[in-house]
Amino acid sequence: GAGVSQSPSNKVTEKGKDVELRCDPISGHTALYWYRQSLGQGLEFLIYFQGNSAPDKSGLPSDRFSAERTGGSVSTLTIQRTQQEDSAVYLCASSSPSGTGVETQYFGPGTRLLVL
Amino acid sequence: GENVEQHPSTLSVQEGDSAVIKCTYSDSASNYFPWYKQELGKRPQLIIDIRSNVGEKKDQRIAVTLNKTAKHFSLHITETQPEDSAVYFCAACSSGGYQKVTFGTGTKLQVIP
Repeated sequence: GAGVSQSPSNKVTEKGKDVELRCDPISGHTALYWYRQSLGQGLEFLIYFQGNSAPDKSGLPSDRFSAERTGGSVSTLTIQRTQQEDSAVYLCASSSPSGTGVETQYFGPGTRLLVL
Repeated sequence: GENVEQHPSTLSVQEGDSAVIKCTYSDSASNYFPWYKQELGKRPQLIIDIRSNVGEKKDQRIAVTLNKTAKHFSLHITETQPEDSAVYFCAACSSGGYQKVTFGTGTKLQVIP
């Protein structure tokens, strides 16, 4: 079946502009994660959505970052007033309870954001 | 919160040799430990995982071991091939209410033909 998809695949923007990144999780997956990966670095957790519960926003680096998940499916990550240090690959992952207490995350291809 | 340390950060091996990547975690509530492989410019892909009630799991040339007492787990790749070259991430997950995932910082593996 279809995996996690993200759009756009690449985004170049000017400093100070707002950007929106989209994630379409695997159908039926109740959990959705956003991560940021700077060049050559690890995965930095940003935000987590699970069903209708309040999201875990503990990883968002500043109030310029926000995310929504409408209808428990598609999610949008918004970065306002972008800065050059926001340049990174933004990865989305989704998972679904397996009934065994573990949830394997499946990653999207990422959005490569470059802020000039 | 959970803290996952991963070593080494880079690893070069000759084709055919074995590679071992080690991770430690701090939260005893962590009960699931996946490993991801990320090839250059691509998304992380799950390659193997282990649950806290198991000490070792093997899938062809890759294996993972878990020592809950010491809070460390390792990835073993035998008979390495050039296509094994990638960045490998370990993760520790706990499921208290929801699954909190903490990733290691990654190991860049280079297999030299």
